[in-house]
Amino acid sequence: GESVGLHLPTLSVQEGDNSIINCAYSNSASDYFIWYKQESGKGPQFIIDIRSNMDKRQGQRVTVLLNKTVKHLSLQIAATQPGDSAVYFCAEMGTGNQFYFGTGTSLTVIP
Amino acid sequence: GAGVSQSPSNKVTEKGKDVELRCDPISGHTALYWYRQSLGQGLEFLIYFQGNSAPDKSGLPSDRFSAERTGGSVSTLTIQRTQQEDSAVYLCASSLAGLKETQYFGPGTRLLVL
Repeated sequence: GESVGLHLPTLSVQEGDNSIINCAYSNSASDYFIWYKQESGKGPQFIIDIRSNMDKRQGQRVTVLLNKTVKHLSLQIAATQPGDSAVYFCAEMGTGNQFYFGTGTSLTVIP
Repeated sequence: GAGVSQSPSNKVTEKGKDVELRCDPISGHTALYWYRQSLGQGLEFLIYFQGNSAPDKSGLPSDRFSAERTGGSVSTLTIQRTQQEDSAVYLCASSLAGLKETQYFGPGTRLLVL
């Protein structure tokens, strides 16, 4: 079956540093991936997505990298700010109707 | 513009009672998802509606769970004979066209079954 996992459950970074959050997936048929940010007491908020025909996609201060060879996804946040503190989820979708979500990485930004 | 809204925001109920959770998707969004998020866990897919097609109910954990979507807009998730293990945050999301499109989430309904 499919599985989505995160290498690190927690991550602490200094304000202004870059953050990298990693995600592994197991289904080679997955072809669409999303990163979400979830702040305490709120629903997940879309950050960025990437399709399997791409290796890299950039947004505002965020970059998602997809390595299909090793089935690895990463989210890079540039110049991390205190407002970036949240739980970050990756999600994958393959041939079915479902997104499969990881359990999340908690990012804490130290002022 | 208006996002996805859910009501109630919090619900406390007694074991064995039925509960109804409501989701109002973004206007014009044809796809609607329900998820469950237990404390410290990722999101668990429950059900997916797309337009007038039959819903994908493959994620519903038991026959106590059901969902409807009336008129292709508002959706109601019903949990019958609630159990303590049903306690979780129930999240609704909608997207413009369905699969492999950005999903926009509501704030969730926090359900506590005593």
